[in-house]
Amino acid sequence: DAKTTQPNSMESNEEEPVHLPCNHSTISGTDYIHWYRQLPSQGPEYVIHGLTSNVNNRMASLAIAEDRKSSTLILHRATLRDAAVYYCILRRGDSNYQLIWGAGTKLIIKP
Amino acid sequence: DVKVTQSSRYLVKRTGEKVFLECVQDMDHENMFWYRQDPGLGLRLIYFSYDVKMKEKGDIPEGYSVSREKKERFSLILESASTNQTSMYLCASRTPGGDYNEQFFGPGTRLTVL
Repeated sequence: DAKTTQPNSMESNEEEPVHLPCNHSTISGTDYIHWYRQLPSQGPEYVIHGLTSNVNNRMASLAIAEDRKSSTLILHRATLRDAAVYYCILRRGDSNYQLIWGAGTKLIIKP
Repeated sequence: DVKVTQSSRYLVKRTGEKVFLECVQDMDHENMFWYRQDPGLGLRLIYFSYDVKMKEKGDIPEGYSVSREKKERFSLILESASTNQTSMYLCASRTPGGDYNEQFFGPGTRLTVL
């Protein structure tokens, strides 16, 4: 199975943009890229997903490299409430349910 | 407000005990999932259920079983708890179909087996 690799932790200042990288060099052509985040003492929550094109929603943007071997989650203006563990996940294209979770990046926001 | 609830936030059991973890969702979702979460490993799928009375093994089903008698409820059963089953257990649900795969998670149950 394809897997994802993320930095263990990152720090950022409040109200600045944050770029969270993810490598998935063994991704297959039909695998979707999903991002979830887990706030302290909560279950994970969906952030964004994409296949080939860059995606935007109210929470974040997802930039996918042209070769799809990496992607970047962009938080445009981080707040203290964005402090969480962010997971880059692959969803197998031949599976409607199987999410392959990485170990995640702990994002620390400094006031 | 959509909700997935789990019966306990914290649970302490002894080795060999039978343990039931309950999950209830109020979104009328067909699919439900049980994961365990361990430090440095992300989430690993134990079992999932397509619909009532249907179940399939995930990546780490050994030592676990599940039950789905009603659409809103999905139970995880540890037949004989062991110390290596000490973990955070997360339940999730979703509506299947399309490329959209948002799973809604409960708050988790931290199980300690002594």
